[in-house]
This record gives sequence, C-alpha cells and structure tokens, in this order.
Amino acid sequence: GENVEQHPSTLSVQEGDSAVIKCTYSDSASNYFPWYKQELGKRPQLIIDIRSNVGEKKDQRIAVTLNKTAKHFSLHITETQPEDSAVYFCAASKKDFGNEKLTFGTGTRLTIIP
Amino acid sequence: SAVISQKPSRDICQRGTSLTIQCQVDSQVTMMFWYRQQPGQSLTLIATANQGSEATYESGFVIDKFPISRPNLTFSTLTVSNMSPEDSSIYLCSVERQRLSTDTQYFGPGTRLTVL
Repeated sequence: GENVEQHPSTLSVQEGDSAVIKCTYSDSASNYFPWYKQELGKRPQLIIDIRSNVGEKKDQRIAVTLNKTAKHFSLHITETQPEDSAVYFCAASKKDFGNEKLTFGTGTRLTIIP
Repeated sequence: SAVISQKPSRDICQRGTSLTIQCQVDSQVTMMFWYRQQPGQSLTLIATANQGSEATYESGFVIDKFPISRPNLTFSTLTVSNMSPEDSSIYLCSVERQRLSTDTQYFGPGTRLTVL
C-alpha cells in the first residue's frame, strides 16, 4: 500500500520568514495530494490540495509543489504569522481508482516565533 | 465544505466496556470514513463506512473490535468494543464532498476517548 513520509517533524520559523514542509510518497499511481492544518484540540482542516496533472498551486501565502518523477510534494508558507502555528499533515490518495482513502504523513509541528 | 457533528465530544470509560460514537452530516454523502488519532500522532484510517453494506476495514482493524453502521447517506456510527487503555485516542469521522472539481475529505470535530 501507499506510504507517505513527512519531514521535518518539527519546524520553528521566525515570524515573517518562510516555512517549507516536504513529503514523499511510494505509490506512483497516487494522484491527489491534500494538506491539512490541525490546531491544538481542533479537527484537521484542508488548506490546499493538488492533483497530479498540476505542478504547482498557490492560494495567497500558501503554495504546494509536486514532482511526480521524484514522487515528492512540498508545502510552502510565506510571510509566516503566529496563527500559522499548528501541526500540518500531508496526504496522498488514488482518486478515480475506486479507492478514495487518504494515507497521511506523520505530521510537522510548525511553531512561529514572534 | 460540510457540516459534520460527532457525539459524544469526549468520554471517559472503564476498561471492558463499549462506546458508540455517532457521526451526522448535514447532507447526503457517498463516502464516509472513520479515523483514529492517538495522542501526538497522525491519522490512521480504521474503515470506510459503506451505505447498505459492510464496512471496509484497513489492515490491523477488525469488525469485532470496531463495528460500524451506515444506515443512510447522512449518518454513521463507530463502536469501540471491549475497550482497553490502548484504545484511548481521538476518533474522527470524515466525509467526501466536492470542492471545485475534486472530491475532498472534511473531518468532524472528533471524539476524545479516555479508557481507564
């Protein structure tokens, strides 16, 4: 089955700087890659996603890049703010194959230092 | 997105007992899932709740321990049976809804279970 690795496990960034979180996946048939943000005591919330027919996607300060050949994708957060502090999870799935389940990475605890 | 509610939000249970967690969605959805999130860990899929048929369980999870019902397209239950302290976790349901051109999973608020 699919295996998703995520690095780093913890990341501290000065406010205003950029943060990058990287994930690799094992199944070349995976074609959908969402990112979730989970604040303490809250549910995971989707912040951005990308399909394999796209190499990059941006939404304001957040961007995701995908390298299908290398089987890795990354989350980029620019101009970080204290409210970006949370645990971030990447995930992968094979959409349209009748198997919609998500396999999650191990998570990255991001701390923004004021 | 989707409005998803779970009951109870938290519970403290004695070992050997069972707890049933409910998940309610504001409109019909095809796909519903149940996850477990152990303290400080990632999300692990327990099973896919299928409407009108038996749930599809992931490796390491069995129906006798985690029976699931899905009586209609807006509701599902997960039972944690014969609980032990190792079952202390957050249990989350999720549903697939369309966002732009892609079906995306949205999560319920979770049920925090502590087993003594």
